[in-house]
Amino acid sequence: DIQMTQSPSLLSASVGDRVTLSCKASQNIYKYLNWYQQKLGEAPKLLIYYTNSLQTGIPSRFSGSGSGTDFTLTISSLQPEDVATYYCYQYNSGYTFGAGTKLELK
Amino acid sequence: QVTLKESGPGILQPSHTLSLTCSFSGFSLSTYGMGVSWIRQPSGKGLEWLASIWWNGNTYNNPSLKSRLTVSKDTSNNQAFLKVTSVDTADTATYYCAHTLYYGYTVLYFDYWGQGVMVTVSS
Repeated sequence: DIQMTQSPSLLSASVGDRVTLSCKASQNIYKYLNWYQQKLGEAPKLLIYYTNSLQTGIPSRFSGSGSGTDFTLTISSLQPEDVATYYCYQYNSGYTFGAGTKLELK
Repeated sequence: QVTLKESGPGILQPSHTLSLTCSFSGFSLSTYGMGVSWIRQPSGKGLEWLASIWWNGNTYNNPSLKSRLTVSKDTSNNQAFLKVTSVDTADTATYYCAHTLYYGYTVLYFDYWGQGVMVTVSS
């Protein structure tokens, strides 16, 4: 089974900060990785698919990068509405979510 | 517009079988590349993918739940179903169904989600 490790588990940042979230796979998943955002009490929302493709309607301040085992979600300028938990998800072999990074405002 | 809605028993007893229905609109489960997936989330915890069913009838289950899961579909009525056998308290969670798209041999994602249905396993 492929394990997905996200770090940090909790991140505090200020409005306007550039924020970077990490996701590491236990083995090579090429670029088969998506990112989801989940706000409190809501269903998850797809942000990024296939590592770096922005889902329709998602603000361009969100971007994804990486390949192999190391992946990153970047928010170029943090906005108050970005407070949420972010999950990475691999679909190279089976389907596995990471444990999530909770992003809060400092 | 794609919408999905889960329905289920709310509460059930340990060792019983959980049966969930996902009723959807805006797409057909007979269209190439379309699927419905089930994902669950215990309160305050992370997401766990459970199973997926595809336009061609193929199914894919989370190996960690072994043979406890059965996913099926009724294409004519735009519904998908999940059964989980021998439930225990660890199966208490919010269960989501999600429209799943696969194309180009590289892209697969859950892009539309239901609101989720809370299931409690308790005696």
